[in-house]
Amino acid sequence: DAGITQSPRHKVTETGTPVTLRCHQTENHRYMYWYRQDPGHGLRLIHYSYGVKDTDKGEVSDGYSVSRSKTEDFLLTLESATSSQTSVYFCAISEENGNIQYFGAGTRLSVL
Amino acid sequence: AQKITQTQPGMFVQEKEAVTLDCTYDTSDPSYGLFWYKQPSSGEMIFLIYQGSYDQQNATEGRYSLNFQKARKSANLVISASQLGDSAMYFCAMREGPRNQFYFGTGTSLTVIP
Repeated sequence: DAGITQSPRHKVTETGTPVTLRCHQTENHRYMYWYRQDPGHGLRLIHYSYGVKDTDKGEVSDGYSVSRSKTEDFLLTLESATSSQTSVYFCAISEENGNIQYFGAGTRLSVL
Repeated sequence: AQKITQTQPGMFVQEKEAVTLDCTYDTSDPSYGLFWYKQPSSGEMIFLIYQGSYDQQNATEGRYSLNFQKARKSANLVISASQLGDSAMYFCAMREGPRNQFYFGTGTSLTVIP
């Protein structure tokens, strides 16, 4: 199994509070991704990183920010959580050639 | 336009039969990759199979094969000899661009009937 750890695995928070989700990898892969999964939508890309301090927006980036100060860590921040951000969040990593993408176990976030 | 389209929200198959899950994609990038993932009810995303756009032969991994028809922009997953443990959500995905951006379809729920 690819060494990807997401923390926390579950979180319940209130509307308006900041939330940070962490993705940690031990594979030294360059590419890291944050997705959200909602019924009927599959997985949608929020943000991704192609190197330390190099990030780009995905298709549903509004309300989210990311940071990558080390190869192994990719943080996703909800500056002011809203109920529409209740979802399951997956982190993924990809090898340089992009021929495979490994996923973390997911974080279930509930915003009340 | 949708990058990945999966038109079958739900499928049923008899145990030991073969089943095909449909996937079409849209890209103008000559270099891209196509993937299938399985998500059982436990929630983890399991990589099944990969096909590169320049690969001449269809990819196979055990009971999984990817029917790659480039001109039609389709990448259907074929599961042979279905097993009860194959019941899960299946997602088709595409990787494109110089920064390896990924796109996923909405998934197909497969139920294997004993």
